Amino acid sequence: KAGVTQTPRYLIKTRGQQVTLSCSPISGHRSVSWYQQTPGQGLQFLFEYFSETQRNKGNFPGRFSGRQFSNSRSEMNVSTLELGDSALYLCASSGGDSADTQYFGPGTRLTVL
Amino acid sequence: QKEVEQNSGPLSVPEGAIASLNCTYSDRGSQSFFWYRQYSGKSPELIMFIYSNGDKEDGRFTAQLNKASQYVSLLIRDSQPSDSATYLCAAYNQGGKLIFGQGTELSVKP
Repeated sequence: KAGVTQTPRYLIKTRGQQVTLSCSPISGHRSVSWYQQTPGQGLQFLFEYFSETQRNKGNFPGRFSGRQFSNSRSEMNVSTLELGDSALYLCASSGGDSADTQYFGPGTRLTVL
Repeated sequence: QKEVEQNSGPLSVPEGAIASLNCTYSDRGSQSFFWYRQYSGKSPELIMFIYSNGDKEDGRFTAQLNKASQYVSLLIRDSQPSDSATYLCAAYNQGGKLIFGQGTELSVKP
């Protein structure tokens, strides 16, 4: 099976812009979670989608949003980018035999200038 | 108190030794626990998961869970330089979120 894929892998934006990141889960996985990873804060949970519905949400401002499509692919959007949004954004999918085990994609490295 | 806590390290062990990585969690309702390995510049990759008290072995890796003490550990036997990475402990809280520790940096010296 192909793993989790994320696009783009690298992104440079300027403050105030918005960005959309994409994630395709492992085939058959219906849950997609998003995380932000920074050196200071570690891996922090953003939100989880299951069957096109947001099932859980972390403690991030409303500038961070997401959605999931009927084929389980997911996107996350960050509006009005701030310097502090520079991070590695990771997507993970789960489902299948070990339903709650999350498998990560390669991540999108976002740099905000 | 953080929900999942790990010593940040770095933990340095000689090649061939046993590396012991520890993790504590605060939510008594947590039922599922995971260890991930993350090489510098890469994404986390799953090593093991454990649900029941006791030991679970997979090759050179052994995960140990003690729910009464709210403690999870990972032992790496016959450590190799290629095991040098950051090891992340994670647990689902009762709210259904997978919470990660800050990670322990392991360095295996040849």
